[in-house]
Amino acid sequence: GDSVTQTEGPVTVSESESLIINCTYSATSIAYPNLFWYVRYPGEGLQLLLKVITAGQKGSSRGFEATYNKETTSFHLQKASVQESDSAVYYCALGDPGTQVVGQLTFGRGTRLQVYA
Amino acid sequence: NTKITQSPRYLILGRANKSLECEQHLGHNAMYWYKQSAEKPPELMFLYNLKQLIRNETVPSRFIPECPDSSKLLLHISAVDPEDSAVYFCASSRDRIDERLFFGHGTKLSVL
Repeated sequence: GDSVTQTEGPVTVSESESLIINCTYSATSIAYPNLFWYVRYPGEGLQLLLKVITAGQKGSSRGFEATYNKETTSFHLQKASVQESDSAVYYCALGDPGTQVVGQLTFGRGTRLQVYA
Repeated sequence: NTKITQSPRYLILGRANKSLECEQHLGHNAMYWYKQSAEKPPELMFLYNLKQLIRNETVPSRFIPECPDSSKLLLHISAVDPEDSAVYFCASSRDRIDERLFFGHGTKLSVL
């Protein structure tokens, strides 16, 4: 089956430092999966952070970036300078763009990020 | 995020029956129930599109979904088991091929 592996948390960084959360995927039945990063802030539900559906392209949102690398099957999340408000749990996920398996995302286990002032 | 509301937020049960409720105010056609156990990723349980159940993952029969209208989703649980302790998330998307999901806050179920 499909799977997503991401950096095991918690990840602790100081404000204004750079961040990278690794994500690699295995999609046995999907040639070109759609890739996502979701984030869950304290007390809130998951929300989409960014999405990339084309290999080689980069997605960005709220200062975060992730590049779809099909060669290394990776989709690492990066930010040049984190803020305390970025403290949350980040989930990498993949989805099947084919219509026969719709609406289902395979999530990673999540990476808790704690940013200290 | 008040666009998808779930109730209750917390639920502590013995071996009892209970229903979780979800309502979305986004005009979406597809709604989902996800289960997230401790230290595990969210896993899809059920998917409805336009009130029709179109994906029913392998979940115990004590979980029964219901979609009374396109904006509401229920999850009936009978005779809960300790392994059911988890956070249950409701989510919705514009339609069944739009993978941009909007999630509710979740209901944390603790089984005694």
